[in-house]
Amino acid sequence: AQKVTQAQTEISVVEKEDVTLDCVYETRDTTYYLFWYKQPPSGELVFLIRRNSFDEQNEISGRYSWNFQKSTSSFNFTITASQVVDSAVYFCALSEITGANSKLTFGKGITLSVRP
Amino acid sequence: GAGVSQTPSNKVTEKGKYVELRCDPISGHTALYWYRQSLGQGPEFLIYFQGTGAADDSGLPNDRFFAVRPEGSVSTLKIQRTERGDSAVYLCASSSSGGYGNTIYFGEGSWLTVV
Repeated sequence: AQKVTQAQTEISVVEKEDVTLDCVYETRDTTYYLFWYKQPPSGELVFLIRRNSFDEQNEISGRYSWNFQKSTSSFNFTITASQVVDSAVYFCALSEITGANSKLTFGKGITLSVRP
Repeated sequence: GAGVSQTPSNKVTEKGKYVELRCDPISGHTALYWYRQSLGQGPEFLIYFQGTGAADDSGLPNDRFFAVRPEGSVSTLKIQRTERGDSAVYLCASSSSGGYGNTIYFGEGSWLTVV
């Protein structure tokens, strides 16, 4: 069975600090996709990144970066120089192969609070 | 519209009543999903549509839950004889196709409270 673990439940940082959100996953599939979503107080899940299991290159997008380590089944997310607007719940998710649909298994989420 | 649209945004209903939640996916997206998110939890899969048909309804918790997508666009999630345990945010999502690994885009959800 697929499983996503986000061991950190709440993180609080001061603005401009760097913060890393951890994600560990379990799957028997050799091919899979990993995702990060942001959920601000409005409730909408905002897509941040999708990563194919064959692509272990790290990715950077502005202040965001992702570290995919297949050997440790981790897909961690780092926010550099955090800002108050980064305050939200962040979810890591794993795409499951079931009849070729993109069914996602989510972790429980990490609540990030960035204080001014 | 530009994104996934869900109505109502909030719904309070009495135990035992019938509820309908509506979802309008991103224009042109053939795949549509319903997820349910309880407080402090990540979203959990309910049902997936490819076009008009429910390709995977393995996440529906019981036969009080049903969803339709008659014309392959708008979908309605229907809950009969609501129970307090049904209180949650119901999220709708869509993707350009149902292909494995496609990015799924979510709406803001319908907050359902059963009293």
